[in-house]
Amino acid sequence: AQTVTQSQPEMSVQEAETVTLSCTYDTSESDYYLFWYKQPPSRQMILVIRQEAYKQQNATENRFSVNFQKAAKSFSLKISDSQLGDAAMYFCAYRSAKEYGNKLVFGAGTILRVKS
Amino acid sequence: EAGVTQFPSHSVIEKGQTVTLRCDPISGHDNLYWYRRVMGKEIKFLLHFVKESKQDESGMPNNRFLAERTGGTYSTLKVQPAELEDSGVYFCASSQTLGTGTTTEAFFGQGTRLTVV
Repeated sequence: AQTVTQSQPEMSVQEAETVTLSCTYDTSESDYYLFWYKQPPSRQMILVIRQEAYKQQNATENRFSVNFQKAAKSFSLKISDSQLGDAAMYFCAYRSAKEYGNKLVFGAGTILRVKS
Repeated sequence: EAGVTQFPSHSVIEKGQTVTLRCDPISGHDNLYWYRRVMGKEIKFLLHFVKESKQDESGMPNNRFLAERTGGTYSTLKVQPAELEDSGVYFCASSQTLGTGTTTEAFFGQGTRLTVV
């Protein structure tokens, strides 16, 4: 079975600085998808960024980028120029490409605090 | 366009009582998922509906949990009788099947926080 591990329960970053959230995963599959979701306090969880395992190029979405190391099974999220609105719980998630639908395997989450 | 909505946002019940959670997916989304996060732990998959049919219910913890999606629109998740370990945040998500046989990303609701005392 696949597992996702987020080893940082909490992280803090100064506004305008850069922060990296860690995620490792375990799978025997070669084709899969990885995601970072963000859940602000009392609000809906939203997709931040997505990476297909067959793509070598790291995904980027504006200030958010990932460092995908397939051999190491590592998928970290870098947030540049951090803003107060980035404060949230961040979840790393895995999805098999073999299965139909969005059966996601999540990590335990990392709380990100942004200091002004 | 309305997102995924869940009712209630919070529920506090006593052990042994029954609680029913509701999820309204995004209109037109044929896939509906239930997930649960127990305090401080991972969000875990419970089950997946395609329209009104259960595609995968491998994550349902036991037979005290009953999920339905009559008519393929909204879904309910009933816990009867509730136990202390059922406390947590229950998330619902929906997605739409594309013509290619794949689905869109999952869109999540804000969750229902269930506390069993």
